Amino acid sequence: ILNVEQSPQSLHVQEGDSTNFTCSFPSSNFYALHWYRWETAKSPEALFVMTLNGDEKKKGRISATLNTKEGYSYLYIKGSQPEDSATYLCALGSGGGADGLTFGKGTHLIIQP
Amino acid sequence: DSGVTQTPKHLITATGQRVTLRCSPRSGDLSVYWYQQSLDQGLQFLIQYYNGEERAKGNILERFSAQQFPDLHSELNLSSLELGDSALYFCASSARTGEYDGYTFGSGTRLTVV
Repeated sequence: ILNVEQSPQSLHVQEGDSTNFTCSFPSSNFYALHWYRWETAKSPEALFVMTLNGDEKKKGRISATLNTKEGYSYLYIKGSQPEDSATYLCALGSGGGADGLTFGKGTHLIIQP
Repeated sequence: DSGVTQTPKHLITATGQRVTLRCSPRSGDLSVYWYQQSLDQGLQFLIQYYNGEERAKGNILERFSAQQFPDLHSELNLSSLELGDSALYFCASSARTGEYDGYTFGSGTRLTVV
């Protein structure tokens, strides 16, 4: 059973501050790492899919990095805004894609005005 | 609207009953995935279909089954329901098999078993 860990579980950040959180995963049998944003009362929305060690992806104020050798990914949010409040999920693809994605429990981010 | 349609949005049923959840993938997507989210749990992978064929199986109970039809819509059948089956069931789709494509999620079906 794969274990995808996200930390912290929840995070309160002042509007305008930058923040980051972590996704840890077993580095063996790695295939892909996904990040999703899940706003309350909506469905999860894909942010990034990363496959290569050292990958860095960016979408507006949000960026992510990947280290497959040590088994972690960071998600960064620069200049947090109230609309960034959401749960951020990471998910691991492994087994050649034959096992579906294994999701972490998420980091619940609250941006305080 | 994500393009993935799930029906019904809410379902309340009694223990022992059988229900069917329906999912229409985003136009052009060949893969459909079913996930279950119970209280305090992350999204748990149930099953994946790709172009009508079962491709991957996760922690799906024997009481649960799924299929994908020629028009690519999918149904998840849950039978002999128990209280513990109460959860939010998500369907997601992707263009290919999903390892390299982000999923597009539907809005979910909230199942309550009483």
